Amino acid sequence: KAGVTQTPRYLIKTRGQQVTLSCSPISGHRSVSWYQQTPGQGLQFLFEYFSETQRNKGNFPGRFSGRQFSNSRSEMNVSTLELGDSALYLCASSLDGGVSQLNTQYFGPGTRLTVL
Amino acid sequence: GNSVTQMEGPVTLSEEAFLTINCTYTATGYPSLFWYVQYPGEGLQLLLKATKADDKGSNKGFEATYRKETTSFHLEKGSVQVSDSAVYFCALNRYSGAGSYQLTFGKGTKLSVIP
Repeated sequence: KAGVTQTPRYLIKTRGQQVTLSCSPISGHRSVSWYQQTPGQGLQFLFEYFSETQRNKGNFPGRFSGRQFSNSRSEMNVSTLELGDSALYLCASSLDGGVSQLNTQYFGPGTRLTVL
Repeated sequence: GNSVTQMEGPVTLSEEAFLTINCTYTATGYPSLFWYVQYPGEGLQLLLKATKADDKGSNKGFEATYRKETTSFHLEKGSVQVSDSAVYFCALNRYSGAGSYQLTFGKGTKLSVIP
């Protein structure tokens, strides 16, 4: 079974631009979560989607948004990029977000975003 | 609130040495506990997990036991290899309501194994 895939793997943008990252979950997984990883803040939760609905959101500004499609694929968007948005963005999928024992999250390889 | 504390790195060991990476947590309820590993330039890989007290997770020679009385989930391996060099993250699964769970991570421990 194929793992979580993320595209693109690397992105370079300039301040003020916007960016869209894509995530395809493991087949059959309906929950998709996004995390930001930086050297200073470590791994931080962005948001979680299940059945096309955002169920949970972390403490990030409104410039960070996402969506999920009917096939469970998800995208996240960052508008008006700032230098501090440079990070590795990780997507994770799980079978069912509502049951702890089924909520093991499997991660993709990440998208490395550099903002100049 | 929920938090995970793991030992600061970096940790440098010789090949075939014994490894312990300490992890303690603070949480309400009974979270599931995980160890993830990150190799250079890659995403996170699930190493092992435990979903209830006294469960032992194991994989690739690594082990960790969910100790509710000490709120700990220490990672151990009897004999490390150069290929084990990576960053290790301890994490707990926190219920956030509306059927949603989110992972709370420790800061990571970088392990370097030298031949």
